[in-house]
Amino acid sequence: EIVMTQSPATLSVSPGERATLSCRASQSVSSNLAWYQQKPGQAPRLLIYGASTRATGIPARFSGSGSGTEFTLTISSLQSEDFAVYYCQQYNNWPPLLTFGGGTKVEIK
Amino acid sequence: QLQLQESGPGLVKPSETLSLTCTVSGGSISISSYHWGWIRQPPGKGLEWIGSIYYSGSTYYNPSLQSRATISVDTSKNHFSLRMTSVTAADTAVYYCARISMILMTIGWFDPWGQGTLVTVSS
Repeated sequence: EIVMTQSPATLSVSPGERATLSCRASQSVSSNLAWYQQKPGQAPRLLIYGASTRATGIPARFSGSGSGTEFTLTISSLQSEDFAVYYCQQYNNWPPLLTFGGGTKVEIK
Repeated sequence: QLQLQESGPGLVKPSETLSLTCTVSGGSISISSYHWGWIRQPPGKGLEWIGSIYYSGSTYYNPSLQSRATISVDTSKNHFSLRMTSVTAADTAVYYCARISMILMTIGWFDPWGQGTLVTVSS
């Protein structure tokens, strides 16, 4: 099983600042990585797939980068609605075994 | 706009079987390029993929749950279902269904998701 590790567990950021979230895979997943945003009481929402492709309707302030084992989600200028928990997910196994990271909570500083 | 909605009992007794259905609206479940899956999230914890199914009936499962989980599809009703046997308190979670995009004949990312349904295992 590919283990996904996210850091930090909690990130305190002021509105308008940049947030940088990290996700590391225990072995290479190529670019087969997605990012999700989850707000309290809501289902996760897809932000990024293919490590860097924004999903439909996702604002340009969200960007993904990386390949192999190291990935980054950047929120260029945090808006109030961006304070949430973010998860990464890999989809590089065969047979499929989809795994998620433990999440990073982005909170207001 | 594609929407998914989970339904089923919110309370299940230990050792019994959990049964949930995900109804898809705004689009057909019988479409190539997508699988349909289940994910769960224990209260205050992270996400765990349970398994997924193609409209033809072919399935993939998380090996950690494969012995207890069964996913089926009913294309005539445009829904798919999850059964999980021998549940314990550790199976208490919000259960989500989601569409899964296929990539290079395997499965990838989840989008969209249902709103989720809390299932509590307790006597």
